[in-house]
Amino acid sequence: GQNIDQPTEMTATEGAIVQINCTYQTSGFNGLFWYQQHAGEAPTFLSYNVLDGLEEKGRFSSFLSRSKGYSYLLLKELQMKDSASYLCAVALYGQNFVFGPGTRLSVLP
Amino acid sequence: DARVTQTPRHKVTEMGQEVTMRCQPILGHNTVFWYRQTMMQGLELLAYFRNRAPLDDSGMPKDRFSAEMPDATLATLKIQPSEPRDSAVYFCASGVSGTDNEQYFGPGTRLTVT
Repeated sequence: GQNIDQPTEMTATEGAIVQINCTYQTSGFNGLFWYQQHAGEAPTFLSYNVLDGLEEKGRFSSFLSRSKGYSYLLLKELQMKDSASYLCAVALYGQNFVFGPGTRLSVLP
Repeated sequence: DARVTQTPRHKVTEMGQEVTMRCQPILGHNTVFWYRQTMMQGLELLAYFRNRAPLDDSGMPKDRFSAEMPDATLATLKIQPSEPRDSAVYFCASGVSGTDNEQYFGPGTRLTVT
């Protein structure tokens, strides 16, 4: 079976840095994705890692270690609008995704 | 501004009725996905098409659900008969195989079965 774990909820303060972890055990691996989903809206793409290491994109960075089955999403200079759910997804083959349960992030003033 | 479109955005129906949800993928995309999202289960893949051919529908209850792509611009997900436990948000997503593997999500159809 496929298993992806993320913390259920996290809270952080505006302007701070937060790291959301994701661990996975899957039968295949063709890349790891992070999506952001605001309440009542569709998921939107944040980042994609297929090789080990850190990918940086503005205030958001994502890290992958394939040998450890581990990824994290790092959000810097948090803003109120970053309050959302963050979904970790593993592409098993091609674009066949398995999504994690999501981490609900609350950013407080 | 290319987007995935889904209709209807909201649907309320009674148990036993047929429900059809439609999706128009982004022009030029050759993969289409149907997901169901609930608070309890999160995002679950129901069906996956590439070049209009179904590749994986193992996540879909076969007795009542069916997914088709009559042409490259339309994907449908049908539930017959619907049950209260089918209440969820159904998302369609599209992408291009062999590229960055990103999926672009539509706005979703919120289905309530009473």
